[in-house]
Amino acid sequence: AQTVTQSQPEMSVQEAETVTLSCTYDTSESDYYLFWYKQPPSRQMILVIRQEAYKQQNATENRFSVNFQKAAKSFSLKISDSQLGDAAMYFCAYRSITNAGKSTFGDGTTLTVKP
Amino acid sequence: KAGVTQTPRYLIKTRGQQVTLSCSPISGHRSVSWYQQTPGQGLQFLFEYFSETQRNKGNFPGRFSGRQFSNSRSEMNVSTLELGDSALYLCASSLTSGVAGEQFFGPGTRLTVL
Repeated sequence: AQTVTQSQPEMSVQEAETVTLSCTYDTSESDYYLFWYKQPPSRQMILVIRQEAYKQQNATENRFSVNFQKAAKSFSLKISDSQLGDAAMYFCAYRSITNAGKSTFGDGTTLTVKP
Repeated sequence: KAGVTQTPRYLIKTRGQQVTLSCSPISGHRSVSWYQQTPGQGLQFLFEYFSETQRNKGNFPGRFSGRQFSNSRSEMNVSTLELGDSALYLCASSLTSGVAGEQFFGPGTRLTVL
């Protein structure tokens, strides 16, 4: 079974600074998808960024980028120019090609943005 | 396009009762997945339905069941409620059942069992 680990329960960053959230996973599969979701206090989960395991290029979405290290099974999220609206809980998630309807989530990292 | 809707948003029940939660996916989406979110266990997968068929099931007791209708709306039922069933129940819809299909989450139903 796949597992996802987020080792940082809480992180804080100064507005306009950069922060990196860590995620490691364990799988025996070679092809899969990885995701970062944001869950603000309103509780609606929103997709931030997606990475396909067979793509070596790291995904980027505006101020959000990932550092995907397949051999190390590491998938960190970098938020540049942090904004107050980035404050939320962030979840790393794994989806298998063979069991596509199920996402396995990490325990989440609560990000605080200080003005 | 309307997002994923879940009803009710809040629910209070007592032990031993049963409850039914509803999820309406985004129009055109055929896959609906359910998750339970608790502070202690985090987000755990319950099951996925695609075209009225259960495709995947998580490690939950048989008290947790679900179904999907021909219009892709899905319901989740929990019988003989226990205190530990108190949680935020999230549903997510996607266009297909494949991995590439982005999952869109609803706002959740907050269930409190007294």
